[in-house]
Amino acid sequence: DSGVTQTPKHLITATGQRVTLRCSPRSGDLSVYWYQQSLDQGLQFLIQYYNGEERAKGNILERFSAQQFPDLHSELNLSSLELGDSALYFCASSAPGPPEKLFFGSGTQLSVL
Amino acid sequence: AQKVTQAQTEISVVEKEDVTLDCVYETRDTTYYLFWYKQPPSGELVFLIRRNSFDEQNEISGRYSWNFQKSTSSFNFTITASQVVDSAVYFCALSGYSSNTGKLIFGQGTTLQVKP
Repeated sequence: DSGVTQTPKHLITATGQRVTLRCSPRSGDLSVYWYQQSLDQGLQFLIQYYNGEERAKGNILERFSAQQFPDLHSELNLSSLELGDSALYFCASSAPGPPEKLFFGSGTQLSVL
Repeated sequence: AQKVTQAQTEISVVEKEDVTLDCVYETRDTTYYLFWYKQPPSGELVFLIRRNSFDEQNEISGRYSWNFQKSTSSFNFTITASQVVDSAVYFCALSGYSSNTGKLIFGQGTTLQVKP
């Protein structure tokens, strides 16, 4: 168990809908990362938050947004969903300092029908 | 730009065989970190190892060993006496220290199938 909790584990929705994925980092970790894993794109970095503030942005679509709350949990919001958004979405957390190892949650499998 | 290449898409071996997974990386950073993660069929990503660019000493952990060669920008992973439980997708990843973000750039992954 990595200590990173992601909910829900599975999500099935329709095109055009909006969903929210939730992540609770390991106790004490200030950084939260979101990754998308799909068959064609592999593991792609989406966005990172550090102690409530956006730290780095990757290949995140404008239809997607994220935030990190004062209790350090994070949410990834996906809107106007398309079939191509179907993927496994991972959250990870790490401790402050030099690039530490990332601890990954078990992921949320999103299926857009 | 940073890039990680895992040229082997799939590898199939018979149990007890040794197998090496290749990883080649590109970065302009002088300080960087390299990682290997394992993704078993259950789907989670499991951390295996982290090495920094100043430490080229090879590392061994049980049946796992890693060969870091800065001269060839490679960080290869060897499993000795493979077992069926080693069947998984293995990802090599790179993190540039200068970015100060800790984000990982992953390779495309190598699917390892170990047959009994």
